[in-house]
Amino acid sequence: DAKTTQPPSMDCAEGRAANLPCNHSTISGNEYVYWYRQIHSQGPQYIIHGLKNNETNEMASLIITEDRKSSTLILPHATLRDTAVYYCIVRGDNAGNMLTFGGGTRLMVKP
Amino acid sequence: DTAVSQTPKYLVTQMGNDKSIKCEQNLGHDTMYWYKQDSKKFLKIMFSYNNKELIINETVPNRFSPKSPDKAHLNLHINSLELGDSAVYFCASKASGYNEQFFGPGTRLTVL
Repeated sequence: DAKTTQPPSMDCAEGRAANLPCNHSTISGNEYVYWYRQIHSQGPQYIIHGLKNNETNEMASLIITEDRKSSTLILPHATLRDTAVYYCIVRGDNAGNMLTFGGGTRLMVKP
Repeated sequence: DTAVSQTPKYLVTQMGNDKSIKCEQNLGHDTMYWYKQDSKKFLKIMFSYNNKELIINETVPNRFSPKSPDKAHLNLHINSLELGDSAVYFCASKASGYNEQFFGPGTRLTVL
């Protein structure tokens, strides 16, 4: 699975959009981009995933560049409860569908 | 009505002991996983298991073994515990044909 690079930390004001970037320059054609988050002392939580088209669900939007070498997770109206570590994961159809987590971005939403 | 549950939530034990952590999912999923999160907060996959195959991350010592009495359970057995096994262990599950993994709340293991 391709390696991902994320900033270690970011701040965001409550009510504003949080834009979390991820670089995955070695991504291959059949690999998906996944985003999970981990709120303190809880298990990771799935947010969204995509292949090449932009995706939106009730939690967030995922914007993938045309060359697929980077992506951005957007939380449109961040709340204090969105404070968490956000993980960008690139995964192909590996056996067992196992996820490889990197260091993630610690997002702090401030009032 | 917890989707993925783990017991115990906390486990403190001595070096050399053998212990088990239980995981149950009531989602009807057919694939289950164990992850380890160390003190530096890195999450690493340990095992993937469904009723057909067990896939083991090659870095996992053979003191660790998953055991599945049925499709809803995947327990983690650890023999001869070492100090370095101290971590938070997460169980997860996934339905066939879907991409989302559902994680349990974690078990914090402390080896003294």
